[in-house]
Amino acid sequence: GAVVSQHPSRVICKSGTSVKIECRSLDFQATTMFWYRQFPKQSLMLMATSNEGSKATYEQGVEKDKFLINHASLTLSTLTVTSAHPEDSSFYICSVRVGNQPQHFGDGTRLSIL
Amino acid sequence: GQQVMQIPQYQHVQEGEDFTTYCNSSTTLSNIQWYKQRPGGHPVFLIQLVKSGEVKKQKRLTFQFGEAKKNSSLHITATQTTDVGTYFCAGGTSYGKLTFGQGTILTVHP
Repeated sequence: GAVVSQHPSRVICKSGTSVKIECRSLDFQATTMFWYRQFPKQSLMLMATSNEGSKATYEQGVEKDKFLINHASLTLSTLTVTSAHPEDSSFYICSVRVGNQPQHFGDGTRLSIL
Repeated sequence: GQQVMQIPQYQHVQEGEDFTTYCNSSTTLSNIQWYKQRPGGHPVFLIQLVKSGEVKKQKRLTFQFGEAKKNSSLHITATQTTDVGTYFCAGGTSYGKLTFGQGTILTVHP
């Protein structure tokens, strides 16, 4: 069964809207979760590392005020795309790291901003 | 920062032909992972290699990790139409961060 649940799977909304994406670890307590973004026909780019109980660590070039990450519990991390614009349209995927095991990925959220 | 280069970007093969994709990291890796992504889907974990010079097989797929732990390859023998998709390598650090290669898009003509 699924280890990571990501919701919603697809969002279509107007420019200027803020969109929240949830990533839940179903079977494990995850102190660390990762958020990736994938543009069409491109690779997955790590956006940030979500740390339970502390601030997220953002990769270079990712605006922390634009992409708000909250990891308030050991099973839930949220990514909020604030004031989304068409250029934010992308496939957003979270993953959960458990110990030294390979990361478990969510099914992804396809975000389309009109 | 760490960079992982993957080639080729595209590979078109006839069904039954072999296929290989290569990854090269700018730094020594703790591990390397391979994923397959179908169009519209999310990456699906295939395998993780940890040891220098490691070779692992999964049916028609053979994965290798270089002696210096900086390069890796995925080889598919006798491709089938079900093998189509994008294959990504991802270099892992000791603290869990993954850097993905650009991916190789494989198409298989029946």
